[in-house]
Amino acid sequence: AAGVIQSPRHLIKEKRETATLKCYPIPRHDTVYWYQQGPGQDPQFLISFYEKMQSDKGSIPDRFSAQQFSDYHSELNMSSLELGDSALYFCASSLKGGAGETQYFGPGTRLLVL
Amino acid sequence: AQTVTQSQPEMSVQEAETVTLSCTYDTSESNYYLFWYKQPPSRQMILVIRQEAYKQQNATENRFSVNFQKAAKSFSLKISDSQLGDTAMYFCALKETSGSRLTFGEGTQLTVNP
Repeated sequence: AAGVIQSPRHLIKEKRETATLKCYPIPRHDTVYWYQQGPGQDPQFLISFYEKMQSDKGSIPDRFSAQQFSDYHSELNMSSLELGDSALYFCASSLKGGAGETQYFGPGTRLLVL
Repeated sequence: AQTVTQSQPEMSVQEAETVTLSCTYDTSESNYYLFWYKQPPSRQMILVIRQEAYKQQNATENRFSVNFQKAAKSFSLKISDSQLGDTAMYFCALKETSGSRLTFGEGTQLTVNP
């Protein structure tokens, strides 16, 4: 079965640079979520979109923005990168009204800020 | 605010034996979903099992089962016939029906020994 696709899988950036992470949800899923997992930490919710509209917002820095496009893929834009932004970024997708609205995770993008 | 607590940072079990991972949570809502995800060394987040709060019957998925105690706000995971491939970090997670985010516990690192 098709899974969530994230690109790139690995990314190395310098401080103050910009990064764009992409997420392609499972076909027919209409909701996308972004999570940040620091080393030794549990995933922290950043933001979610349902039918291209922001549905919930968590601890996402103002330097970050995200959107969901008409084909349901999503992009997380990160500007003025800081060392503390180094983390594993997960995208997950679900189907509104589906069983428990279960979130299925992509493989993650490992971001390293030097 | 919803919270999830896993009080066992690390556990170990012998291959073929049974192990139980603990999780407690807090929410003000009456309807919600609970999940267990595993994160092996590859760091992929993999859904293990899901429980709907309105269902009294405990969920089972092959060797994985839960003990859901709604009044006590407890949600433990039992792994039977443990296998080496079960070695992973296990996260308990809560999703309220009024929101979209998952709130994770701190995780339990399970090691299955041969």
